[in-house]
Amino acid sequence: EDQVTQSPEALRLQEGESSSLNCSYTVSGLRGLFWYRQDPGKGPEFLFTLYSAGEEKEKERLKATLTKKESFLHITAPKPEDSATYLCASPNNAGNMLTFGGGTRLMVKP
Amino acid sequence: DSGVTQTPKHLITATGQRVTLRCSPRSGDLSVYWYQQSLDQGLQFLIHYYNGEERAKGNILERFSAQQFPDLHSELNLSSLELGDSALYFCASSASGGIEVLTFGAGSRLTVL
Repeated sequence: EDQVTQSPEALRLQEGESSSLNCSYTVSGLRGLFWYRQDPGKGPEFLFTLYSAGEEKEKERLKATLTKKESFLHITAPKPEDSATYLCASPNNAGNMLTFGGGTRLMVKP
Repeated sequence: DSGVTQTPKHLITATGQRVTLRCSPRSGDLSVYWYQQSLDQGLQFLIHYYNGEERAKGNILERFSAQQFPDLHSELNLSSLELGDSALYFCASSASGGIEVLTFGAGSRLTVL
């Protein structure tokens, strides 16, 4: 069964304290690894797609990286407005749906 | 505004009732996906339609059904509602039938009392 697992479930950081979120997946023949940000009561918002091991993408304070078995979302010098739930997802083997991980709830304190 | 429109935003109903959630995809998108998000389950895939045809089905209950109409909007019908059906229901759209970036709507929050 395709699985996407995220850790930690929750992460509290002080403003400016860098850290990383983990996403591990078991889908064979990866067809992309997606990162989304979700604010409370809102729909997930697309951040990045990674397709091959070694690939990296950046957006402001966020950088996503991909290995053969996992992806990391690095947050550098976070600000309170980075507080959100970060979701990763991978397509199933049939390529007709996205399986989401449980998410990491990030809280950045000023 | 993501371009994916979901109505209603909030819905409160009683057990045993039936509700219909509606989704209009982004202009030009042919695929519509439905996901359920509850506190203890995360985002769970329900069903995918592409240009009016069902493409994939997740763990969707038999009490739930969906369809995509010729104008590409989609409806998710939930019947014989139970307390456990209380959740956020999200619709997402994409341009093609294959996996690519999904654009999500703001969701419909269903509360079953």
